[in-house]
Amino acid sequence: EPEVTQTPSHQVTQMGQEVILRCVPISNHLYFYWYRQILGQKVEFLVSFYNNEISEKSEIFDDQFSVERPDGSNFTLKIRSTKLEDSAMYFCASRGPGGTEAFFGQGTRLTVV
Amino acid sequence: GQQLNQSPQSMFIQEGEDVSMNCTSSSIFNTWLWYKQDPGEGPVLLIALYKAGELTSNGRLTAQFGITRKDSFLNISASIPSDVGIYFCAGGPPIQGAQKLVFGQGTRLTINP
Repeated sequence: EPEVTQTPSHQVTQMGQEVILRCVPISNHLYFYWYRQILGQKVEFLVSFYNNEISEKSEIFDDQFSVERPDGSNFTLKIRSTKLEDSAMYFCASRGPGGTEAFFGQGTRLTVV
Repeated sequence: GQQLNQSPQSMFIQEGEDVSMNCTSSSIFNTWLWYKQDPGEGPVLLIALYKAGELTSNGRLTAQFGITRKDSFLNISASIPSDVGIYFCAGGPPIQGAQKLVFGQGTRLTINP
């Protein structure tokens, strides 16, 4: 069964460093998302991406965040200068052209120290 | 922004009991989805609902899309130990295109054997 894959599963970084979280969405999907979940809290929307551009972004997705789909396969989330409060699980999700349900990856646990 | 109120926040039940949880919102949603999240994993889709009033089952799980499009419930019958986890409702707004999901706060289900 096709699935969304994310790497790495766990990333530890020092405050102020840049991180890139990687995702390979399901191959025929057209809509891509990043969500964040702080430990013990709900899943929060960060950004949606369609047709090689951002469709919508939340207040969380400030200038320190960026997304790219560099090669038609990978979908990346970059955090330019990490802060302690960026520590969370980051989930990539994708959605097909005719469907409304999003399928999630296993997540990347980002720990900023 | 749009918010979902999910209740209860946690449930402690005996194995074999039925479970019921619900989500309400002041906003209309186009779709309602129910996800289950195990520790350290991404949300896994359980049931998707597309039409107001729709009642859908998936094994021991039953979910309904409220007639007002502002609420949904999930029932689990005859609970078993592997039902333990956090259940999230998610609503898809009535906007076409790369619509994001809005998540409830989650219901943590604990089962005593």
